[in-house]
Amino acid sequence: QQQVKQSPQSLIVQKGGISIINCAYENTAFDYFPWYQQFPGKGPALLIAIRPDVSEKKEGRFTISFNKSAKQFSLHIMDSQPGDSATYFCAAAGNTGKLIFGQGTTLQVKP
Amino acid sequence: DTAVSQTPKYLVTQMGNDKSIKCEQNLGHDTMYWYKQDSKKFLKIMFSYNNKELIINETVPNRFSPKSPDKAHLNLHINSLELGDSAVYFCASSQLGTLQFFGPGTRLTVL
Repeated sequence: QQQVKQSPQSLIVQKGGISIINCAYENTAFDYFPWYQQFPGKGPALLIAIRPDVSEKKEGRFTISFNKSAKQFSLHIMDSQPGDSATYFCAAAGNTGKLIFGQGTTLQVKP
Repeated sequence: DTAVSQTPKYLVTQMGNDKSIKCEQNLGHDTMYWYKQDSKKFLKIMFSYNNKELIINETVPNRFSPKSPDKAHLNLHINSLELGDSAVYFCASSQLGTLQFFGPGTRLTVL
């Protein structure tokens, strides 16, 4: 019940395309859903986060869509750029602040 | 002006040795964490301290002992290192449990 399942494991997108990464969770006590971006040799960096009282949050080219009834959320990267090539992690947390991470998605944006 | 810093960045050591990793945050956060990222990039929480008090202690071997001398520092001491301890260890900090900021990581290699 503590798992967060993330797909796909890897993704190749052309420059200018839309990258979509999906996550699903089981624990209905989760109330905070962040996405992290990690470049090789670096620590994960918070990209965008959402709480279950909203169905969508947009920051620049990054959008989180949240479906509370389906217990799913996704990250959309619009107009994907080669500089977006990185590993993306979804995560979920409840009131303890303990982040449960998905397995990660390696995104490659081809020029 | 690094927010979360860790030392050392790389640590190569022999099996059976004892080693420590240090973490400092200058964000004024009240909570600090240790995460382990394995060779498949899976991130898993190990420990969390809030104002020097241990609040999360996952099923981690007791060879791992965190120590928090003050709320800006969280160190990780590992006794009797094993091959399976090879991983990247990340320190993170947050205020009120969300918006966790990660350090650059320490790559531990046990030979």
